Amino acid sequence: DAMVIQNPRYQVTQFGKPVTLSCSQTLNHNVMYWYQQKSSQAPKLLFHYYDKDFNNEADTPDNFQSRRPNTSFCFLDIRSPGLGDAAMYLCATQGANVLTFGAGSRLTVL
Amino acid sequence: RKEVEQDPGPFNVPEGATVAFNCTYSNSASQSFFWYRQDCRKEPKLLMSVYSSGNEDGRFTAQLNRASQYISLLIRDSKLSDSATYLCVVNNQAGTALIFGKGTTLSVSS
Repeated sequence: DAMVIQNPRYQVTQFGKPVTLSCSQTLNHNVMYWYQQKSSQAPKLLFHYYDKDFNNEADTPDNFQSRRPNTSFCFLDIRSPGLGDAAMYLCATQGANVLTFGAGSRLTVL
Repeated sequence: RKEVEQDPGPFNVPEGATVAFNCTYSNSASQSFFWYRQDCRKEPKLLMSVYSSGNEDGRFTAQLNRASQYISLLIRDSKLSDSATYLCVVNNQAGTALIFGKGTTLSVSS
């Protein structure tokens, strides 16, 4: 059974139209991550949470926001998607130093 | 210097070959090291952790060299199913999160 679930798996949006991606986990892990992965590139860390303690990477654009209302859920909000934001967005939890990923949400911006 | 750097790919090898990948990291205080495998358009999955003394899992051997700040992955007797991108993962500079190298692509042919 999937332990980290991302929705939607595929999201198509228009340039500038806000998007929210969700992630839920059944592992009860305190640490959660959002990564952005573009084609043929490494997953790039956007944010991570240790419990409710939010950590924003220095080079994460302001256009990207995140919310974690409780241990199980985490959201990635892209306020005004540009063409350059088209990517796979990966959510992961961390337990015992091991990352468990969701299947990802692939964002297309038209 | 990038936090995590990997051998450029792709590596194209025949079945049965032995292939080795290296990864260098910039944070001398890093404590956590991993190799992840990522299949095309799928999420990364843990292949193996890397321990100070080196470790082996079947055909895969991982080693850590703290003095030179690199880790390696050796794959013996390559199989077609080993074709994937191999990602090196290390603590970031702050030691608070796990970050990825760009990945090395392996293609095993018959």
